[in-house]
Amino acid sequence: QKEVEQDPGPLSVPEGAIVSLNCTYSNSAFQYFMWYRQYSRKGPELLMYTYSSGNKEDGRFTAQVDKSSKYISLFIRDSQPSDSATYLCAMSLYSSASKIIFGSGTRLSIRP
Amino acid sequence: KAGVTQTPRYLIKTRGQQVTLSCSPISGHRSVSWYQQTPGQGLQFLFEYFSETQRNKGNFPGRFSGRQFSNSRSEMNVSTLELGDSALYLCASSLLGGEAGELFFGEGSRLTVL
Repeated sequence: QKEVEQDPGPLSVPEGAIVSLNCTYSNSAFQYFMWYRQYSRKGPELLMYTYSSGNKEDGRFTAQVDKSSKYISLFIRDSQPSDSATYLCAMSLYSSASKIIFGSGTRLSIRP
Repeated sequence: KAGVTQTPRYLIKTRGQQVTLSCSPISGHRSVSWYQQTPGQGLQFLFEYFSETQRNKGNFPGRFSGRQFSNSRSEMNVSTLELGDSALYLCASSLLGGEAGELFFGEGSRLTVL
């Protein structure tokens, strides 16, 4: 079993819909949680970064961490075609770039 | 300010050859990390360099090596290439390497091994 599980999709939704992306993990010691967006032929770009449990909001994006369930989510409101990308969850025990464990990514397509 | 620059962007090699990939971090960043991204395994950590020293290493064979120069630029080398080495190799830089949320990725070098 992988430490971080993420549904690869693809997930296709109409423009304007609310998108929910999720990851589960097995290591209860993870403390740092991240979401990256990766466009085709580009490197990952950090979207959200949270420490421990709770919610964090940034514009149309909301990240949720539920440590009791070992489950994290990324919500995208008012989705746009430009949101079409692969979304990677990532988590880490320590605040160290070398200790990040990435999910395999969910391909998201927003239909105009 | 300029982002992380990786060269070459695309390359094709044959089994048994070796390859060197280059990464120039964001100006002022001293930590460079390398990752391998494949459809099956996702993003996997290769190694991290800080001030010319390898600080951490992932679970990859010795054929994978790297180094960092005094100007923070980094190179990674893969010797005796195997078909399974075909992947997108990503470089990421950060100021000091201790900030999981401050990692900036380049666009990657896509290696195809025939």
